[in-house]
Amino acid sequence: QVQLVQSGGEVKKPGASVKVSCKASGYTFTSYGFSWVRQAPGQGLEWMGWISAYNGNTNYAQNLQGRVTMTTDTSTSTAYMELRSLRSDDTAVYYCVRESAYGDYIVFYYWGQGTLVTVSS
Amino acid sequence: DIQMTQSPSSLSASVGDRVTITCRASQSISSYLNWYQQKIGKAPKLLIYGASSLQSGVPSRFSGSGSGTDFTLTISSLQPEDFATYFCQQSYSTPRTFGQGTKVEIK
Repeated sequence: QVQLVQSGGEVKKPGASVKVSCKASGYTFTSYGFSWVRQAPGQGLEWMGWISAYNGNTNYAQNLQGRVTMTTDTSTSTAYMELRSLRSDDTAVYYCVRESAYGDYIVFYYWGQGTLVTVSS
Repeated sequence: DIQMTQSPSSLSASVGDRVTITCRASQSISSYLNWYQQKIGKAPKLLIYGASSLQSGVPSRFSGSGSGTDFTLTISSLQPEDFATYFCQQSYSTPRTFGQGTKVEIK
């Protein structure tokens, strides 16, 4: 069965960086891409970007361009999301999502358990 | 970017009620619309994809409809386990934007 296991919660100071990992199992890692989605406390869902596990191509949300980097390590079937120059409004639960295609439709069916990143001085 | 607007932002309903949530896209997205349910402390769960296709394992009291810019999620008879927050998401283009959510609470 498909599993996505994320790294543990982090507390960071403003201006620091954080790198969240997402270890995948139960399928062929390079066959699917990953999106990263975050959710600030009590707020909605924000799509951060996407990475192909096949060739590393990325597509980042405009508002995060320059601060976010998504990578994959095919040797360990792990996806990573690094966010730099952290601000207090980056405090959120960060989810990795394995994208699936149901015919023409892209769906977010497999989600990691979430990683809480707290940015506080 | 395509903006997704849900209404209402919250609602109170009783067990057995019929509940309808709407989602409007800022431009046509054909039927590239997904619905998710999220309970507190959990990751979202896929309910509906392609605007009206029920994800396997999801109870048939959930249904979706619409195309173009206007969509609805209907729960035909609300059950205790349905109290949660519901999000729509467009998969027509990136960024894959979500609606702001609709919280369904117990009356």
